[in-house]
Amino acid sequence: DGGITQSPKYLFRKEGQNVTLSCEQNLNHDAMYWYRQDPGQGLRLIYYSQIVNDFQKGDIAEGYSVSREKKESFPLTVTSAQKNPTAFYLCASSMRVGTYEQYFGPGTRLTVT
Amino acid sequence: AQSVAQPEDQVNVAEGNPLTVKCTYSVSGNPYLFWYVQYPNRGLQFLLKYITGDNLVKGSYGFEAEFNKSQTSFHLKKPSALVSDSALYFCAVRDINSSASKIIFGSGTRLSIRP
Repeated sequence: DGGITQSPKYLFRKEGQNVTLSCEQNLNHDAMYWYRQDPGQGLRLIYYSQIVNDFQKGDIAEGYSVSREKKESFPLTVTSAQKNPTAFYLCASSMRVGTYEQYFGPGTRLTVT
Repeated sequence: AQSVAQPEDQVNVAEGNPLTVKCTYSVSGNPYLFWYVQYPNRGLQFLLKYITGDNLVKGSYGFEAEFNKSQTSFHLKKPSALVSDSALYFCAVRDINSSASKIIFGSGTRLSIRP
């Protein structure tokens, strides 16, 4: 999972609470991504950022928010507006968006009850 | 629009036999193609990519993939499977001509290697 850390590994929250997932990289990559993984559905892109102070919505951005104040950090907030927040969340980074492969963190499994 | 399909949810192979994990794609222009592997409760690991050039791409752990433009396929192969190859494999594509910057992932194929 080289160079990308996500914390915590497991997270439990009550319905109606916002929760923030951490993602840090020391690879000096410009681009960072957040994906959601559900069984049988592969990875779906939530948000991505090509550079500091810039980010774009992915396919399933509703109920999520992000910030990119530092190159190394791209935290994801799962808000109470997200209808089905229980999932495995993966953060990734790449040198730049485009031809470059993405490097993934170990993931955070969020359970909301 | 770009898309990628992995037609097999599961592939079962005996150790020592060759393995193939299938991937087909659809893009309006030329594709960038990637293969990743995921072990249980872990993030994805990059295996190999095709950007341009030789249609046969070699990657990590003895894996290779063949880009076939006429069949719009990018199948992952290995000549001799190991039990440790058992994992979830994802194909991904990006349209080189698309203004969108995102990569689309397939739904994944679970590879099971029996001793």
